[in-house]
Amino acid sequence: DGGITQSPKYLFRKEGQNVTLSCEQNLNHDAMYWYRQDPGQGLRLIYYSQIVNDFQKGDIAEGYSVSREKKESFPLTVTSAQKNPTAFYLCATQGNPYEQYFGPGTRLTVT
Amino acid sequence: DAKTTQPTSMDCAEGRAANLPCNHSTISGNEYVYWYRQIHSQGPQYIIHGLKNNETNEMASLIITEDRKSSTLILPHATLRDTAVYYCIVRSYSNSGYALNFGKGTSLLVTP
Repeated sequence: DGGITQSPKYLFRKEGQNVTLSCEQNLNHDAMYWYRQDPGQGLRLIYYSQIVNDFQKGDIAEGYSVSREKKESFPLTVTSAQKNPTAFYLCATQGNPYEQYFGPGTRLTVT
Repeated sequence: DAKTTQPTSMDCAEGRAANLPCNHSTISGNEYVYWYRQIHSQGPQYIIHGLKNNETNEMASLIITEDRKSSTLILPHATLRDTAVYYCIVRSYSNSGYALNFGKGTSLLVTP
């Protein structure tokens, strides 16, 4: 099956710890994105990558970091510098110029 | 990017057409109108997009006014599984690629 995998679905961490969210795709898409969603809100862009070994900050990149060493993988690290990390995190790829495909998301809770 | 305005919520009876409006009065000539939907606790799903002409696919129809300042997404025969938040997005290619700006959308409730 082609698709986007995000794991785990639920993640719990203590405040002050860094945590890495996984995003893997087998769609052979070049562009990948990370979004954050807070309750009752729309999605906000954290980071995006249009090609391997290249990535750019989105609107809310502070406290986050990414890497893109392989086409299939675009992991997101939520660092201790992120002041409000509890949120729903969504990874997406760009299929054609008009359609983004989203993964199932990871719900991160930091206490 | 052009800003969009959508109603916060709408109801629709099962089997009826759901008509979801979107205002985008500041849209520019090279910006497309996209519709996505998000079922609770899942990732958004692409529905349809258009530039000037009306569009139809297996999921929905998109009607864009001649001046392009507003559009309507039509789900012709709504089912309970169409209950979701529907996002209208106006976008063109930019420095952030095709990254999408999601507002709060319209929460559609389809009732039996």
